[in-house]
Amino acid sequence: ILNVEQSPQSLHVQEGDSTNFTCSFPSSNFYALHWYRWETAKSPEALFVMTLNGDEKKKGRISATLNTKEGYSYLYIKGSQPEDSATYLCAPTARQLTFGSGTQLTVLP
Amino acid sequence: EPEVTQTPSHQVTQMGQEVILRCVPISNHLYFYWYRQILGQKVEFLVSFYNNEISEKSEIFDDQFSVERPDGSNFTLKIRSTKLEDSAMYFCASRIKGNLEAFFGQGTRLTVV
Repeated sequence: ILNVEQSPQSLHVQEGDSTNFTCSFPSSNFYALHWYRWETAKSPEALFVMTLNGDEKKKGRISATLNTKEGYSYLYIKGSQPEDSATYLCAPTARQLTFGSGTQLTVLP
Repeated sequence: EPEVTQTPSHQVTQMGQEVILRCVPISNHLYFYWYRQILGQKVEFLVSFYNNEISEKSEIFDDQFSVERPDGSNFTLKIRSTKLEDSAMYFCASRIKGNLEAFFGQGTRLTVV
């Protein structure tokens, strides 16, 4: 089971601000890195799956980068909107998904 | 759009009772998982299942837990004798072979009293 750290634990930003959070994981035994978006009372929704060092993925205003050599991934949200409020989970995969504790984002109108 | 469905959405049970949590994975998926989240804690891996057998399990998944795919569509998690500390949100997930993306159900909230 991988040791995964996410920071910050929670974040409040104003609508329109851009923000980013970090996921750290052991760089050995790495296979893939998943980002999930999880709104209360809904199922976690897959945002990105990244496998290669230097990977960058983008989905609308949300993007992510991956550094497998140093063991981290960044998630960026450009121009945050209230509907972006959710918990963002990263999950590196060795043999199964191992989730971080998540970053809880609140976007204030 | 196909989705993973879980029933019930909420179950309350007395300590010591057996519970069965049900999941219907997406139909062409071959890998199945159970995760749980105790309130205020991380989402934790319980077990993975492939080709009708457990492929990996965590230390949480002790003899009180079992999984089954009884009829080719359902994937169940059974807890034989529930304890207070089993109270959590239980998530089922599935994925297709060759694709790393796992799809999650909405979860079953288990409350042991």
